[in-house]
Amino acid sequence: GQQVQQSPASLVLQEGENAELQCNFSSTATRLQWFYQRPGGSLVSLLSNPSGTKHTGRLTSTTVTKERRGSLHISSSQITDSGTYLCANRQGGSAKLIFGEGTKLTVSS
Amino acid sequence: EAAVTQSPRNKVAVTGGKVTLSCNQTNNHNNMYWYRQDTGHGLRLIHYSYGAGSTEKGDIPDGYKASRPSQENFSLILELATPSQTSVYFCASGDVGYQDTQYFGPGTRLLVL
Repeated sequence: GQQVQQSPASLVLQEGENAELQCNFSSTATRLQWFYQRPGGSLVSLLSNPSGTKHTGRLTSTTVTKERRGSLHISSSQITDSGTYLCANRQGGSAKLIFGEGTKLTVSS
Repeated sequence: EAAVTQSPRNKVAVTGGKVTLSCNQTNNHNNMYWYRQDTGHGLRLIHYSYGAGSTEKGDIPDGYKASRPSQENFSLILELATPSQTSVYFCASGDVGYQDTQYFGPGTRLLVL
């Protein structure tokens, strides 16, 4: 079945630094999505980006469908950005999302 | 903002007992999902539904049943709970489209002793 792999597994930054999170997927059918999970909490949708580049606030998502990869760039990280970022790809024409294991981001002052 | 609620939020069950996890959504989404999240495995799909009366097997359906009696409600049923089913369970709702996404509930922590 389809696989979604994220890197790095964890990332430690100082406040104000930028973060770059990577996502690689095995299927060419792409509905790449990014979610944020606060420690001990639920998931919140950040961006849905089938292809190209999409911005929202300090987040920039880039999806390169032919290369089966995506990235999430967080500019000027803040302490409140700490948590786990999950990437997910929708499988073929179905309604199923396949999730990566996430990148745990820790931002300190 | 989409609203998905789950009950109970925390549950302790005994091995061999029956557990029912409930999910309600007020978004009028057709699709609903049940996931479990475990360290080292990420988020895995157990069952999902395309609408009232429908249930589909996800990637790890063994030991679980699902029920979708209405557009708003989707239940996950563990007929004979086992310690390996100790996990955090998330329900989600969503529809498929060009900018589709899923909206998640707060999660249920289940401990099977």
